[in-house]
Amino acid sequence: ETGVTQTPRHLVMGMTNKKSLKCEQHLGHNAMYWYKQSAKKPLELMFVYSLEERVENNSVPSRFSPECPNSSHLFLHLHTLQPEDSALYLCASSQDRGTGWQETQYFGPGTRLLVL
Amino acid sequence: AQSVAQPEDQVNVAEGNPLTVKCTYSVSGNPYLFWYVQYPNRGLQFLLKYITGDNLVKGSYGFEAEFNKSQTSFHLKKPSALVSDSALYFCAVRDVYKLSFGAGTTVTVRA
Repeated sequence: ETGVTQTPRHLVMGMTNKKSLKCEQHLGHNAMYWYKQSAKKPLELMFVYSLEERVENNSVPSRFSPECPNSSHLFLHLHTLQPEDSALYLCASSQDRGTGWQETQYFGPGTRLLVL
Repeated sequence: AQSVAQPEDQVNVAEGNPLTVKCTYSVSGNPYLFWYVQYPNRGLQFLLKYITGDNLVKGSYGFEAEFNKSQTSFHLKKPSALVSDSALYFCAVRDVYKLSFGAGTTVTVRA
């Protein structure tokens, strides 16, 4: 897990707060992902960045705003969230070699978010 | 769209017995299949993957998986389970950018 780190590990926020989740990968990868893991639901892809450009926005509400300033860092900015947004948010990275996205995604430990 | 299914929510085995976690897939084209494990309050850890080649894939922690094209299955196996293997296991298939995950199977290994 040291390859992909996430901070904070736990976050409690009110619906009017603004907060940010941070992800950092130390694997030299060029693609990064945000996933959402809710209780009793399969993991859902939220965003994909490849070479610092967003290539996928999986119909995520605008109250979630990603940012990828470089290939090692990925942020998820949160504002005016709803209680149903409470979940485990997982970051992942992989090396896109331009061969059909076969490469393994490596995950961080996640941020456990509770929205009150 | 690519998808996987894990037909069992829970698997219970005694320590030392064989462990099998089932996964079936539905894809168009070549399947890129993965297994991950998640321990409590942790992220997903990669176990193994099938891209092409040998149908029997060996991975981390003594796990292996058998790719069966005719049965569209990719079952995870371990010959002798340990109590420390108790965790949540996910099968996944690569669909362009994303991994599409199964619902997960909770494995409990009793001493």
